[in-house]
Amino acid sequence: RKEVEQDPGPFNVPEGATVAFNCTYSNSASQSFFWYRQDCRKEPKLLMSVYSSGNEDGRFTAQLNRASQYISLLIRDSKLSDSATYLCVVTPPGTYKYIFGTGTRLKVLA
Amino acid sequence: DGGITQSPKYLFRKEGQNVTLSCEQNLNHDAMYWYRQDPGQGLRLIYYSQIVNDFQKGDIAEGYSVSREKKESFPLTVTSAQKNPTAFYLCATKKGSENEKLFFGSGTQLSVL
Repeated sequence: RKEVEQDPGPFNVPEGATVAFNCTYSNSASQSFFWYRQDCRKEPKLLMSVYSSGNEDGRFTAQLNRASQYISLLIRDSKLSDSATYLCVVTPPGTYKYIFGTGTRLKVLA
Repeated sequence: DGGITQSPKYLFRKEGQNVTLSCEQNLNHDAMYWYRQDPGQGLRLIYYSQIVNDFQKGDIAEGYSVSREKKESFPLTVTSAQKNPTAFYLCATKKGSENEKLFFGSGTQLSVL
């Protein structure tokens, strides 16, 4: 089992739709969780950190489910500019490593 | 202008040649990382450094070498021992404590001639 797994997609959704991605992780003691956004051939950029209580930033909501070992990202009212690859990142305990998922590709269609 | 500077943006390597990718930061971050990304794949860790004059191998260190003589700089050398070097290379930094987010440079695309 991979340490961090994501559905590669692509998820093709119309503008204005709500879309959700999940990311599962194998190490139950993982400590920190992040969602990054990456455009084609660009560097990843932090979208949001994921906190135990869940957190929201505008149209984006992130949640953590420790019991089932997954994190989720919900995007409401999708925009064309949301088209990108979304990377899930997990940090195992006692290490400075960051484990990246392979990413989920989102295409928002006009 | 604060940030992470990677250079060059594009680099071509001949067979048997060593090449060095530059990563410089003025964020005063303690930790620096090198990742490799292949098309359609996630980022894989090559090397990381938590403090000056110290670095650790990541998951795919073979064929690569690094140095950390200054806090601001973490150059990556792709040696001739790396048989499949074509990839997008990303440098990242973070503040000293654990669980902080990573900041990335704009990347270097390395190709083999």
